[in-house]
Amino acid sequence: NAGVTQTPKFQVLKTGQSMTLQCAQDMNHNSMYWYRQDPGMGLRLIYYSASEGTTDKGEVPNGYNVSRLNKREFSLRLESAAPSQTSVYFCASSAPEGLEYQETQYFGPGTRLLVL
Amino acid sequence: EDQVTQSPEALRLQEGESSSLNCSYTVSGLRGLFWYRQDPGKGPEFLFTLYSAGEEKEKERLKATLTKKESFLHITAPKPEDSATYLCAVHPGGSYIPTFGRGTSLIVHP
Repeated sequence: NAGVTQTPKFQVLKTGQSMTLQCAQDMNHNSMYWYRQDPGMGLRLIYYSASEGTTDKGEVPNGYNVSRLNKREFSLRLESAAPSQTSVYFCASSAPEGLEYQETQYFGPGTRLLVL
Repeated sequence: EDQVTQSPEALRLQEGESSSLNCSYTVSGLRGLFWYRQDPGKGPEFLFTLYSAGEEKEKERLKATLTKKESFLHITAPKPEDSATYLCAVHPGGSYIPTFGRGTSLIVHP
C-alpha cells in the first residue's frame, strides 16, 4: 500500500497562474481532506469530502476549488494563485469502509508551493 | 467554537529527561482526541486516539492520557529520535471536521 500520495512535491508559480494539486489514496477511505500548514498557524482545513460525490468548505476555502474525481482521488485547484497561498499543502484521508468512529487521518507527504 | 491549545510551543530536553506536553480543548461533545507526530518536511503520522476521560494509551516511550478538559503526552526517557512536532486534534460529535492545535516542537539533545 502506498497510502496517501500527492503530486507534485514542490511547485513555484507566478501570481495569477493556475495549478492543480493531485491526491490519491489506496486505503478504500470514504473521507478526504485538504489542509494548508503555515508557520505559527497549524493545520487549517481548506475543503473536505465526506464521501464520493460530496465536497464541503472548511475553514479557509477562498481562492480554492476541489474535485472528488472518484473514491480514490481528490484534487485541489488554485485558479489564480496569490502570494498569500504560499504554503505547504497536505492531503489526508480517513474512515475505512464499515468502521464507525474511525476518524484517524492518514496524511500524504505534502506539496510545497511558492507563489511569487 | 471548538478550540485546541497546545503548550508549550517548543520544548528542549536532554536525552533521558522525562516531560509532558499539554493539549487543552473545548469542544461540543468530544468524539475523539488524536495525537500525531510530524517530522520536518513530512506529513503528520498518527500516534494515538483517546475517546473518554480516564483513558490511557502507550507506545514505546510515549503515553497519552485524557481528562474532560485536556490531554497529556508523557515522554519517558526521551531519545534524540523523539525530536519532532507533536500535534493534537479533536473531533466534535457528529462532525467530519477535526480541529488541530498548533503543535509542540520537541527537540531532544544527546
